[in-house]
Amino acid sequence: KAGVTQTPRYLIKTRGQQVTLSCSPISGHRSVSWYQQTPGQGLQFLFEYFSETQRNKGNFPGRFSGRQFSNSRSEMNVSTLELGDSALYLCASSDRTGAGELFFGEGSRLTVL
Amino acid sequence: AQSVTQPDIHITVSEGASLELRCNYSYGATPYLFWYVQSPGQGLQLLLKYFSGDTLVQGIKGFEAEFKRSQSSFNLRKPSVHWSDAAEYFCAVGPLGGYQKVTFGTGTKLQVIP
Repeated sequence: KAGVTQTPRYLIKTRGQQVTLSCSPISGHRSVSWYQQTPGQGLQFLFEYFSETQRNKGNFPGRFSGRQFSNSRSEMNVSTLELGDSALYLCASSDRTGAGELFFGEGSRLTVL
Repeated sequence: AQSVTQPDIHITVSEGASLELRCNYSYGATPYLFWYVQSPGQGLQLLLKYFSGDTLVQGIKGFEAEFKRSQSSFNLRKPSVHWSDAAEYFCAVGPLGGYQKVTFGTGTKLQVIP
């Protein structure tokens, strides 16, 4: 069974631009969560989607948004990028929402200049 | 609100020595508890999990953890560390179902010296 796939793995953007990150979950998993990981803040929960519905949302500004498609693939978008958005963005899939075991992708490393 | 504390930011052990990584949680009921490991540049991999039942749980790579309700702890142990165990370890807590997120600790970075 293929694991969680995140694209792109690395990207560099400048302040003010926007970015879209993609996540393909494990086949059969309907829950996709997104986390931001930075050295100072650790792993911060962004949001969780289950069957195309956002179930949970973390404390991030509205510039951070996401969606999930009918095939469970998910995208997250960050608009008007700031330097502080530089981070590793991790996607995790699960076979149920909430506290199911999370299977993580390798992440998308975003650098904002 | 649920929270996780990993008091040790960085730990150094000698190869072959035993290891214990500490984790304390705060949650109103019996939680789901997890330990994940992250190698540099990689995502997180689940080492083990506790949902209910036996409070001593075995995981992959020779790791085990013990759930102690009275101490709100879920410490990770390994009797003999290998150089390949050098990584960052995250304790996490989740609710018993429901639409709530999993909360991670800040991580403990393990260095293994020969």
